[in-house]
Amino acid sequence: ETGVTQSPTHLIKTRGQQVTLRCSSQSGHNTVSWYQQALGQGPQFIFQYYREEENGRGNFPPRFSGLQFPNYSSELNVNALELDDSALYLCASSLVSSLVYGYTFGSGTRLTVV
Amino acid sequence: EDQVTQSPEALRLQEGESSSLNCSYTVSGLRGLFWYRQDPGKGPEFLFTLYSAGEEKEKERLKATLTKKESFLHITAPKPEDSATYLCAVKETSGSRLTFGEGTQLTVNP
Repeated sequence: ETGVTQSPTHLIKTRGQQVTLRCSSQSGHNTVSWYQQALGQGPQFIFQYYREEENGRGNFPPRFSGLQFPNYSSELNVNALELDDSALYLCASSLVSSLVYGYTFGSGTRLTVV
Repeated sequence: EDQVTQSPEALRLQEGESSSLNCSYTVSGLRGLFWYRQDPGKGPEFLFTLYSAGEEKEKERLKATLTKKESFLHITAPKPEDSATYLCAVKETSGSRLTFGEGTQLTVNP
């Protein structure tokens, strides 16, 4: 009911494969963002979805794509995985109209590409 | 392009030893500056949102302040459970992204 839920928690993939990560946003939140966090670095913005449409995108190639569903849950898809895609992938939800409580982050999916 | 720089990269304190973390930022128009706490293997946990210069917010042993160019996170009499990485992020008035700094890794020894 509360909080952001991400699945799976850990994943190991082979270079060249495709992966789908999933996120259930916090109840009442209508905006979902995805971030990539490499070890020892701050999160980097991938893209945001609002009302099922992409609402902003960071410096990531087109092989990173996403979806938002009518219940505000979301998916991140990465095609043609590269070794550098190994990272913690974070989903964050928020209310587009208010930042009083910031963005609520999930615990992330740890992706390892071998 | 928005930029966020945090210092120091790492800070080691004794329990009860107060200190401050710094976040310097460059943004065309600030919508909000955020502080988050992140424990190993977990997602960032929201602490504060600051909106304008001069604003201050407090939560337990933490106090965040904001000027036009930087923000400070003051930690008063820290405890070992305050050990974590503290992240600063900005959101500009236009656009949807949060731009994060690299974080400050805080260790509080008993």
